[in-house]
Amino acid sequence: DAGITQSPRHKVTETGTPVTLRCHQTENHRYMYWYRQDPGHGLRLIHYSYGVKDTDKGEVSDGYSVSRSKTEDFLLTLESATSSQTSVYFCAIRQGPNTEAFFGQGTRLTVV
Amino acid sequence: AQSVTQLDSQVPVFEEAPVELRCNYSSSVSVYLFWYVQYPNQGLQLLLKYLSGSTLVKSINGFEAEFNKSQTSFHLRKPSVHISDTAEYFCAVIEGNTGKLIFGQGTTLQVKP
Repeated sequence: DAGITQSPRHKVTETGTPVTLRCHQTENHRYMYWYRQDPGHGLRLIHYSYGVKDTDKGEVSDGYSVSRSKTEDFLLTLESATSSQTSVYFCAIRQGPNTEAFFGQGTRLTVV
Repeated sequence: AQSVTQLDSQVPVFEEAPVELRCNYSSSVSVYLFWYVQYPNQGLQLLLKYLSGSTLVKSINGFEAEFNKSQTSFHLRKPSVHISDTAEYFCAVIEGNTGKLIFGQGTTLQVKP
């Protein structure tokens, strides 16, 4: 299995609070991604990174920010959580331009 | 921008019957195509990939997909499904010039005895 760890695995938080999810890799892969998975929508890209301090927005980036200060960690922050951000969040890593991605086990976030 | 369309949200099929899960993509640049599978309450696993070369790619468990550039499709097929193939299947494409990895909406394959 690819060395990719998401934390926490489960979290319940209140509306309006900030939340940070962490993705940690031990593979030294260049690309890292954050997705959310919701029924009927598949996986939607939130943000991705193509190197340290190099990030870009995906299709559903509103309300989310990311940081990548070192190769191994990619943090996703919900600045002020809303109920619409209740979802399962997946992190993925990818080594190079024409390689496949490997996924973490997911984080189930519930905003009440 | 890239997009991926999976034409069927659910595909019910009887055990040992053939199945095709359809995937179309839009692209004006080089593409790299993937099928991922997600079993209940698990993460995503790579099923097969097209990067270059032969347009027909195969997995170890009997699935195959064919890259068709003229139809911008990458349909997944299996000649005889098993109960254990019940899962959600995702088609994905990498946007070559940005590195974005874009997924379709997913297709739930329900294999019935």
